[in-house]
Amino acid sequence: RKEVEQDPGPFNVPEGATVAFNCTYSNSASQSFFWYRQDCRKEPKLLMSVYSSGNEDGRFTAQLNRASQYISLLIRDSKLSDSATYLCVVNIWSGGYNKLIFGAGTRLAVHP
Amino acid sequence: DAGVTQSPTHLIKTRGQQVTLRCSPKSGHDTVSWYQQALGQGPQFIFQYYEEEERQRGNFPDRFSGHQFPNYSSELNVNALLLGDSALYLCASSLTGRMVTEAFFGQGTRLTVV
Repeated sequence: RKEVEQDPGPFNVPEGATVAFNCTYSNSASQSFFWYRQDCRKEPKLLMSVYSSGNEDGRFTAQLNRASQYISLLIRDSKLSDSATYLCVVNIWSGGYNKLIFGAGTRLAVHP
Repeated sequence: DAGVTQSPTHLIKTRGQQVTLRCSPKSGHDTVSWYQQALGQGPQFIFQYYEEEERQRGNFPDRFSGHQFPNYSSELNVNALLLGDSALYLCASSLTGRMVTEAFFGQGTRLTVV
């Protein structure tokens, strides 16, 4: 079983749609959680951190359920510019060092 | 303030050859992690360097080795290249000692093995 698993995608949605991505992780030593965005042939960039209390950044809402080892990302009012691959990332803290473990990513295509 | 820089951006090598990729971390960061990203996959952790030593390693063979210099820059070396080593190699810099830390990525080096 992969350490971080995501919806396979791709998600093809019209502008203005709401789309939700799910992610599960297997390592209970995971300490912190993130969503990264990766545009085609570019490097991943941090989209937002994910907290147990849930957090929102404009049209983006992230949720974490530690008991279920589940992370989600909700995008409201999708824009064409949201088209990208979204990577679920967990940070494992061990012995004073961080290690980021990535999911395979879910591709989102927003069309007019 | 320069972000993470990697060189070269693209590289074509022949099977069996050796390659060296370079990374300069973001100013103020002391830790460099290397990732391999195959087409359609998420980045896979290769190893991490801190204080010029390899601190953590993913599931990669010994053909993959690295180095970190006193100025925190790092190199990734791959020996005896295989076709399957073709991928985007990403360098991420961060600060050790903080449980929650943002990692910044370089633009990557796209390696093609023919």
